[in-house]
Amino acid sequence: DTAVSQTPKYLVTQMGNDKSIKCEQNLGHDTMYWYKQDSKKFLKIMFSYNNKELIINETVPNRFSPKSPDKAHLNLHINSLELGDSAVYFCASSSSGGYNEQFFGPGTRLTVL
Amino acid sequence: AQTVTQSQPEMSVQEAETVTLSCTYDTSESDYYLFWYKQPPSRQMILVIRQEAYKQQNATENRFSVNFQKAAKSFSLKISDSQLGDAAMYFCAYRRGKGAQKLVFGQGTRLTINP
Repeated sequence: DTAVSQTPKYLVTQMGNDKSIKCEQNLGHDTMYWYKQDSKKFLKIMFSYNNKELIINETVPNRFSPKSPDKAHLNLHINSLELGDSAVYFCASSSSGGYNEQFFGPGTRLTVL
Repeated sequence: AQTVTQSQPEMSVQEAETVTLSCTYDTSESDYYLFWYKQPPSRQMILVIRQEAYKQQNATENRFSVNFQKAAKSFSLKISDSQLGDAAMYFCAYRRGKGAQKLVFGQGTRLTINP
């Protein structure tokens, strides 16, 4: 059973389009995250939700809007895609109690042409 | 702000030998966690080992061990008896305290295993 899943795994689109990436976890965690890995492999946090509430919002353009309909889902919507948005986007989840290990999804490779 | 630095962009080692990957970090916090993640070509992020800052004993997981030097803010990963499957990007990461905290990653080290 997949613990943290993301759809799609690959996304190729034109500049200016709007796209969404979906994330689901079946671990019973209450916290979910979005990380971005750029072309140099550098990973950086974008957002985090705890119990559907936004708790981390790093310096990310307004074109990126996360949405958490429930604790098990965290989606990322991107408006007006730009070339610089090309990256791998990772979803992760953890519990807010105990050790809090973050489990990562398989990543979504976004290519903007 | 916390920062994590991996000064070795690439490392290589002969199969069955030992290699050490370096990591330093900067923080003013006293309660934190340190991690090493492995990212093979499949791009899946896999937790290799973790260290709680309050623990003096170095963490060990089978062939993987760390050298945690808290005063020097150093957290190196030693891989013993290297195997071809160890080839991957390795990321050092820091997390502040408990709860829903973000991971701060280093730049990564690409490890090549030579047969």
